[in-house]
Amino acid sequence: AQTVTQSQPEMSVQEAETVTLSCTYDTSESDYYLFWYKQPPSRQMILVIRQEAYKQQNATENRFSVNFQKAAKSFSLKISDSQLGDAAMYFCAYRSAGSGDYKLSFGAGTTVTVRA
Amino acid sequence: DTAVSQTPKYLVTQMGNDKSIKCEQNLGHDTMYWYKQDSKKFLKIMFSYNNKELIINETVPNRFSPKSPDKAHLNLHINSLELGDSAVYFCASSLVARGRGPQETQYFGPGTRLLVL
Repeated sequence: AQTVTQSQPEMSVQEAETVTLSCTYDTSESDYYLFWYKQPPSRQMILVIRQEAYKQQNATENRFSVNFQKAAKSFSLKISDSQLGDAAMYFCAYRSAGSGDYKLSFGAGTTVTVRA
Repeated sequence: DTAVSQTPKYLVTQMGNDKSIKCEQNLGHDTMYWYKQDSKKFLKIMFSYNNKELIINETVPNRFSPKSPDKAHLNLHINSLELGDSAVYFCASSLVARGRGPQETQYFGPGTRLLVL
């Protein structure tokens, strides 16, 4: 089974500053997908960004970007120009691409607080 | 236009009761999932259906029974509710179960908060 680890239970960032959330995972597979989901107080799970392991280029979505280090099994999320609306819990997730295991395996989450 | 919807959003019930949570998606997706988020916010897969066929059945008490009447719906029925069943239950869907590109990205419903007293 794949294990996803988010070592930072909480992170705080000043508005307009940058914060980086860490995620590491354990897998023996070479083909998989990685995701970051955001869960604001409304409880809705919102997809932030996705990365395909066979692509070397790091994914970017507006102010959100990832640093994908396949050899190190690391998948960090950088939030640039932080806004108050970015305050939420962020989950890193892993999904196999080959073995038929279709589920998402989630990390424990990181709560991001944005200071005005 | 709600992509993945769940009803009810809140469910408060007594121990021992039987309850159902409904999920519908209007995205034309083939695959649907149920996840449970416990009090510590940890998310874990429970079930998945692809074209009405069960493809994931994690270690879940048999008091939990998913039912998929068609591709757009996946309901979760829970018998003999226990205190430990209190959690937020999320439905999700993806275009396909396994594919390339964004087809397998899972989109979540708003969640159903279940409280068992």
